[in-house]
Order: sequence, then C-alpha cells, then structure tokens
Amino acid sequence: AQSVTQLGSHVSVSEGALVLLRCNYSSSVPPYLFWYVQYPNQGLQLLLKYTSAATLVKGINGFEAEFKKSETSFHLTKPSAHMSDAAEYFCAVSGGSNYKLTFGKGTLLTVNP
Amino acid sequence: GAVVSQHPSRVICKSGTSVKIECRSLDFQATTMFWYRQFPKKSLMLMATSNEGSKATYEQGVEKDKFLINHASLTLSTLTVTSAHPEDSSFYICSASTLAGGGTGELFFGEGSRLTVL
Repeated sequence: AQSVTQLGSHVSVSEGALVLLRCNYSSSVPPYLFWYVQYPNQGLQLLLKYTSAATLVKGINGFEAEFKKSETSFHLTKPSAHMSDAAEYFCAVSGGSNYKLTFGKGTLLTVNP
Repeated sequence: GAVVSQHPSRVICKSGTSVKIECRSLDFQATTMFWYRQFPKKSLMLMATSNEGSKATYEQGVEKDKFLINHASLTLSTLTVTSAHPEDSSFYICSASTLAGGGTGELFFGEGSRLTVL
C-alpha cells in the first residue's frame, strides 16, 4: 500500500524567498518518488524524480528534493522563488511500473511580489 | 520524447449530449493509459486504467456506463462522457506510462480537457 501526505494545501512566499513544499510518503516496497507541477488549465509536468540513485535530486526550474528514508520524506525546495513558480505542486509515490502512481492532494504555491 | 496530447482542450455541450475526449501518445506506444478527473482545488482522482485491446478497469465509484473508455490502438485512448449532465463538468486528464519511465511508474500527462455541461 502507498500513500502521500502533503503538508499545507497552500504555501505563500515572497519573490526571492526560499520555497519549501513538504511531502511525506508511505510505501510497502522501495519507493519511486515524483514531484509534478500543474499550471492553471494544464496537465501535469514532471519536475523531478527519485529512482534510488542519488538521494538529492535536481529538477527543472531550479527545484530540488531530498529523499530521506528515515523520515519518509521527499520535500521540494528552491532557494529563490520566482513569480513564474506560482502553480499547484503534486508529490507522488510509486512502487514501480506494476504499481499505480499515488498522488498527494497538492500544494498551491503563490508568490508575492 | 514521451509526449501525450489531448483533444479538445475545452468543450462546452448541452445536457444530455455525449462528448468524446481523445488522448494520443505522439512518439511512443502506450500499452497503458490512465484517465483522471480533477475537481476545482482538488487533487487528481483516478477514474480508470485503460489497456490496449482490453476493457478498461474502473476505480470504485466510477460509472463505467457513463464514462466509456476505449483503447483501440497503442497510441489512442478515448473517453466518452455519455448523456452528460452539469455535475460531469470537470477537468479530465489522461496520462500514459512508457518504458521511457524506466520502470519507475512515472506517468506522462496530456494537457487536459475542460468539460462544461450547460
């Protein structure tokens, strides 16, 4: 069984500030973890993924996430927020191609000028 | 690579009519496609898993006679909302898995289709 908990349905930051979006997971098998971003009225775009290689994963648009097995976490960070980062962010977990991708409820990021 | 395209992006229809949404994998063969529904300010709800050449597997609570899914080829899956009603208005998103995902379960998403039923 798999599940994802995203802490905070809405995060608001100032432009230039640190972005931290929290994600905790549970999985009965070694997990693959993903962060997707969704802009209004669009589909989901992959930001980054953890596939059991390096625990610190770098993605597009300056985002990165660190897999911490002991904390069952995969938090998403970006050192300096940009206005264009405003979007909905989804964390997801999978046990592999034979498992369905399980999504968190999403975190809406707003960036204030 | 691994591009998924949906059409139409927006559709408005009258209550009682049927609407078809197409999902195509443009540069790969998708043996499995997934259809999601997204309500405003809500997460994605998996509706069904579509396998090429076989019947779709619907999630609990999803009416298979209302949401007809066909996956007739390795590059095309369709979702038909039959006898649509205003409560069917939503954002529908398809996705596909592919070997490009490296066996991780990664999904590639279409652009989504906004359905409005008057």
